Amino acid sequence: DTEVTQTPKHLVMGMTNKKSLKCEQHMGHRAMYWYKQKAKKPPELMFVYSYEKLSINESVPSRFSPECPNSSLLNLHLHALQPEDSALYLCASSQEVAMGQETQYFGPGTRLLVL
Amino acid sequence: QKEVEQNSGPLSVPEGAIASLNCTYSDRGSQSFFWYRQYSGKSPELIMFIYSNGDKEDGRFTAQLNKASQYVSLLIRDSQPSDSATYLCAVIFWGGKLIFGQGTELSVKP
Repeated sequence: DTEVTQTPKHLVMGMTNKKSLKCEQHMGHRAMYWYKQKAKKPPELMFVYSYEKLSINESVPSRFSPECPNSSLLNLHLHALQPEDSALYLCASSQEVAMGQETQYFGPGTRLLVL
Repeated sequence: QKEVEQNSGPLSVPEGAIASLNCTYSDRGSQSFFWYRQYSGKSPELIMFIYSNGDKEDGRFTAQLNKASQYVSLLIRDSQPSDSATYLCAVIFWGGKLIFGQGTELSVKP
């Protein structure tokens, strides 16, 4: 089973709202990722967690705050977003973060619209 | 600069033909290469991964890797209309970052 789940599927929020995106995997993977994908563009890496610790932050604005409560869960807390943050937010997981042979499996994504 | 380059297409092939998708990458030290398929409005779905030079076949899909030329390709035999999607080449660079190419849009015409 290579399933990564994400909730919600769709989210509409105002620029003053606070919301959270959730991601879950039960494959025993120890690495989890957040990506942002704009229309007609490839996914862009935002954050990487390895063994529940943040290992990579791709200079993401502080209005995006990741959290990894345990090895199966990954959250992305959103606050004071801008309309240009509207995108598909993808969660992925892999067995480990490695410079070698680790395949990432993606969840279905959360489509976010910021008004 | 980590770069993965693909022809953006669109690539149009008739049903039953072979579709050939190409990708080059900038880091000679990269070891892991992936092809993802993404239907419009959906998330990327893993098609193939390849780590060693040569060919790797899985059903109608064949991935080819040439590390000396820093080139990876995906062949889709007996293309079907259901193969119409954007195909993303992805490479793991030093530090474990998965970097995607811009994607090639494939259209298979009945």
